[in-house]
Amino acid sequence: AQRVTQPEKLLSVFKGAPVELKCNYSYSGSPELFWYVQYSRQRLQLLLRHISRESIKGFTADLNKGETSFHLKKPFAQEEDSAMYYCALKSFQKLVFGTGTRLLVSP
Amino acid sequence: DGGITQSPKYLFRKEGQNVTLSCEQNLNHDAMYWYRQDPGQGLRLIYYSQIVNDFQKGDIAEGYSVSREKKESFPLTVTSAQKNPTAFYLCASSGGDGPYEQYFGPGTRLTVT
Repeated sequence: AQRVTQPEKLLSVFKGAPVELKCNYSYSGSPELFWYVQYSRQRLQLLLRHISRESIKGFTADLNKGETSFHLKKPFAQEEDSAMYYCALKSFQKLVFGTGTRLLVSP
Repeated sequence: DGGITQSPKYLFRKEGQNVTLSCEQNLNHDAMYWYRQDPGQGLRLIYYSQIVNDFQKGDIAEGYSVSREKKESFPLTVTSAQKNPTAFYLCASSGGDGPYEQYFGPGTRLTVT
């Protein structure tokens, strides 16, 4: 069965510290993975997708098929990065979401 | 202003009453989705529709119903059979062109007492 696991409910770091939000997936096939972000009082929105291999707002995520992981990383966290982050897996024109990780960046 | 709208933002109902949540999009997207968002459980798919007049059950469809009579609209009815209806409900849509992405509405918070 398709599944996305985000083991951390909350990740708290200080401004300027590195951040890694973990995401592991279970999927029989070639996965297509995404990170979505929900800032306070804003809509859930796409942050990045693995096929684009892009860096958005300083965040990157590399698909590791051997470890079935798609961790989100940023070398220096900013206070405005505080938000809820969801990892998602595309499965038959649907998205399977993880339970989310709340990132808190303190000054 | 393009996008997805959901109304109302807050909705209160008494137990035993059916309630319908509105979702409209002007993005010309074929596919639309309904999710339920609960703390610690992420987003769970209720129903989705790939095309007008067709829809499929998601992971937690029991106690919910939908219709898709128009491309722009995908209303969700929370029936009295839904055992735990109090939640935050999100609607999303996706188009067929370009890389896959779902666009989300602002959500409706339903409280049933």
